[in-house]
Amino acid sequence: EIVLTQSPGTLSLSPGERATLSCRASQSVNSSYLAWYQQKPGQAPRLLLHGASTRATGIPDRFSGSGSGTDFTLTISRLEPEDFAVYYCHHFHTSRTFGRGTKVEIK
Amino acid sequence: QVQLVQSGPEVKKPGSSMKVSCKASGDTFSTYAISWVRQAPGQGLEWMGGIIPIFDKGTYAQRFQGRVTITADEGTRTVYLELSSLRSDDTAVYFCAKSTSWGYDSSGSRIFYAFDIWGQGTMITVSS
Repeated sequence: EIVLTQSPGTLSLSPGERATLSCRASQSVNSSYLAWYQQKPGQAPRLLLHGASTRATGIPDRFSGSGSGTDFTLTISRLEPEDFAVYYCHHFHTSRTFGRGTKVEIK
Repeated sequence: QVQLVQSGPEVKKPGSSMKVSCKASGDTFSTYAISWVRQAPGQGLEWMGGIIPIFDKGTYAQRFQGRVTITADEGTRTVYLELSSLRSDDTAVYFCAKSTSWGYDSSGSRIFYAFDIWGQGTMITVSS
């Protein structure tokens, strides 16, 4: 089973700052099958990126993704107040697993 | 725009079964791929299984094999999740989610692509 490890567990930043979130796979994965979601308390997750770097419909361009093989990154270029949430990476092939999430909190 | 509306919260006894529904609006329901993802309180997301209604056969995560059944009713555009032999650690919010697409890999395994539409979630509490 492929394990996705997200780091850091919590990221404390101020609005306007840049956020860099990491997702590392226990073995090499096809980036076509890597997605990122945002989840706010009491809500369902929202798809941000699929294919590691393709923004989903309606997602602002301050969200970007990169990576290949075992290392993937979600970058939020300038944090807006509504971006403080938990972010999950997801490999939807073979093991179909999610990472444990990174919480982006207001510093 | 597709919408997924789930059934309401329930409290279940240990050892019993649960059945949660997910009703879809919009067209081409039969060719959607719908998955169930659960989230225990304060925890992360866990894929349980999924179905493509035209094939009428679910695909399940190994850890739930034998305990989970996912079915679809094309007439009512509803997907169901049944989970049996409930335990306290099955207490969670259960989400249905539609994939952007679906396909097969080289080994013939079904691929449920990223989830772009989610239901509102159904809280299931397992308690004696």
